[in-house]
Parts: sequence; C-alpha cells; structure tokens
Amino acid sequence: AQSVTQPDIHITVSEGASLELRCNYSYGATPYLFWYVQSPGQGLQLLLKYFSGDTLVQGIKGFEAEFKRSQSSFNLRKPSVHWSDAAEYFCAVGARDYKLSFGAGTTVTVRA
Amino acid sequence: EPEVTQTPSHQVTQMGQEVILRCVPISNHLYFYWYRQILGQKVEFLVSFYNNEISEKSEIFDDQFSVERPDGSNFTLKIRSTKLEDSAMYFCASSESPETQYFGPGTRLLVL
Repeated sequence: AQSVTQPDIHITVSEGASLELRCNYSYGATPYLFWYVQSPGQGLQLLLKYFSGDTLVQGIKGFEAEFKRSQSSFNLRKPSVHWSDAAEYFCAVGARDYKLSFGAGTTVTVRA
Repeated sequence: EPEVTQTPSHQVTQMGQEVILRCVPISNHLYFYWYRQILGQKVEFLVSFYNNEISEKSEIFDDQFSVERPDGSNFTLKIRSTKLEDSAMYFCASSESPETQYFGPGTRLLVL
C-alpha cells in the first residue's frame, strides 16, 4: 500500500522568502503525485500533479514541485512567498486504484 | 471555474441518528469519492463510485455507510447510526478521469 510522509508539521517563513515543503512517498510502482492546499475554512485545492514525463512540474499560484525517483520525494517550492500562501499543504499519492493517500500536512505561517 | 459543492457546511447530530451529507460534483465528471479527516489526523479515503456503483472502499466504510447518486447531479453519503468517532470533516471529490480529483469545501460533522 502506498503512503506519504511530510516531515515538517509546521514551517514559518517571512514574506518574500522562498519556501520548500518536503514530501516522501512509498509506493512500488510509478506513482501519481499531488500537492493540495487547504486555506482556513476552505476545501482542498489542487496545486499541481505529476504523472509522468518532465520531473519538474509547474502549478498554480507560482508553485512548482520536483519528482525525484531516487529519493522517493516530491518536494514543493515557491521562490517568493506571499502572505496569502499561509495555509496547510498536503502531499498525496495515488495508485492504480486511484484512491489518494495523504500525508499529515504541513502548516505554513507567513510572517510580515 | 466549476467546482464541487457540499451541503451542509456544518452538521451537529446526536449519536445514533442518521445523517446524509450532500455533494454536487462538477457536471461532466464521472468518478466520485468521499474522504474524511478526523481532527488532527490525515485525510482518509472512504469510497469511490463510478458508473452507479462502488468501485473501491476502505475498511472504514462499513455497513453503517452508504453512497448514492439519486439523480444526475447529487452524490450523497449516508451514515445510518452515527457514532462519536464519526465526528470529522467529510470531503467529496470528483474527477473526469480517475487520476485528478477535485475536492469540495467539506462538511464538518459533529456527533454528540
């Protein structure tokens, strides 16, 4: 069965600074990988996804993620964080049965 | 931009009561899902639904749970006799192809 680990429970970053959120997955075959964001009181919004091909994927809101098979990682990055990026971020892996397995989430706080 | 909607946003019920959570998926989507997130825990898969039948369900999805697509637009989750441990945020998701799921804002269920 697939699983996801997000090692960082909480990250605080200054506005304008860069952000990197870590995600490690466990799955025997090539996974489908996703990052979702949840703002307070909101649902899960899809930021980006990786299925195959180019290992660097671009998403919405200026986010990107890089798939590294050798490290079983799919880290999310943003070069310059805005106060509106404060939210909880979830990495998820999907398998052939398409049910998603989520990580525990990383809460991002943005300080002025 | 089309989105998944869920009603109600919050529901409080007494233990042993039946609840029905409603979802309106994105109109051209064919695959439907329910997930839940108990406070402080990971988002967990409950069930997937395609072609008017359950395609996959987790061990959480026991006989107390059922899903239905009563008409062309709604997708419901019924919990027959709620327990305290059913208190959670319930997310509906839909997808046009099974790989990429779009989530609704969730229904927060509190069982007293």
